[in-house]
Amino acid sequence: AQSVTQLGSHVSVSEGALVLLRCNYSSSVPPYLFWYVQYPNQGLQLLLKYTSAATLVKGINGFEAEFKKSETSFHLTKPSAHMSDAAEYFCAVTSPLSGTSYGKLTFGQGTILTVHP
Amino acid sequence: DAGITQSPRHKVTETGTPVTLRCHQTENHRYMYWYRQDPGHGLRLIHYSYGVKDTDKGEVSDGYSVSRSKTEDFLLTLESATSSQTSVYFCAISEGRTTNEKLFFGSGTQLSVL
Repeated sequence: AQSVTQLGSHVSVSEGALVLLRCNYSSSVPPYLFWYVQYPNQGLQLLLKYTSAATLVKGINGFEAEFKKSETSFHLTKPSAHMSDAAEYFCAVTSPLSGTSYGKLTFGQGTILTVHP
Repeated sequence: DAGITQSPRHKVTETGTPVTLRCHQTENHRYMYWYRQDPGHGLRLIHYSYGVKDTDKGEVSDGYSVSRSKTEDFLLTLESATSSQTSVYFCAISEGRTTNEKLFFGSGTQLSVL
């Protein structure tokens, strides 16, 4: 079984400050990891994904995440927050050994990011 | 944006009544999914489909059924709605080529069961 834990249901930062959203996973096999973002009244959009090619993954809108196997973590960062980054962020996991289970993701609980002027 | 339309966008219904939510896609993607989103739980998979008439259960399938008679349409039915099924329901699609492929999500259906 796989699971994801997002530490902190709410994170608040000032505009221009570092954004750090934490995600830890549990998986008995090498995982594929994803970060999705949800803006108000919208569906989720993919920010970035880790698929074992490189441990540091760059995504859209200046976000990046680093896969650390020893820490079972996949934290999301952005050097400088913008007001437009305010949204809910979800970490998700699946396995390359899922067979035909394409897209069957296990999501974390979500972290709401607030950006203050 | 991926061509995914969910209908209705909002619905209020009473306990015990049947409810059907529709997801329509114009991308010809093989896989379609129904997720529900609840505070503190993130998104949880209800059912998914890997082709016409091919469906399978997710982690929270009790009280829900699905049907897919055409590639473009995936229906979610609550046979007898309960208050615990008040939630936001998201349809998603994917090509079905790799296990690390991205999902494309619809805009969601807000369902309230009174």
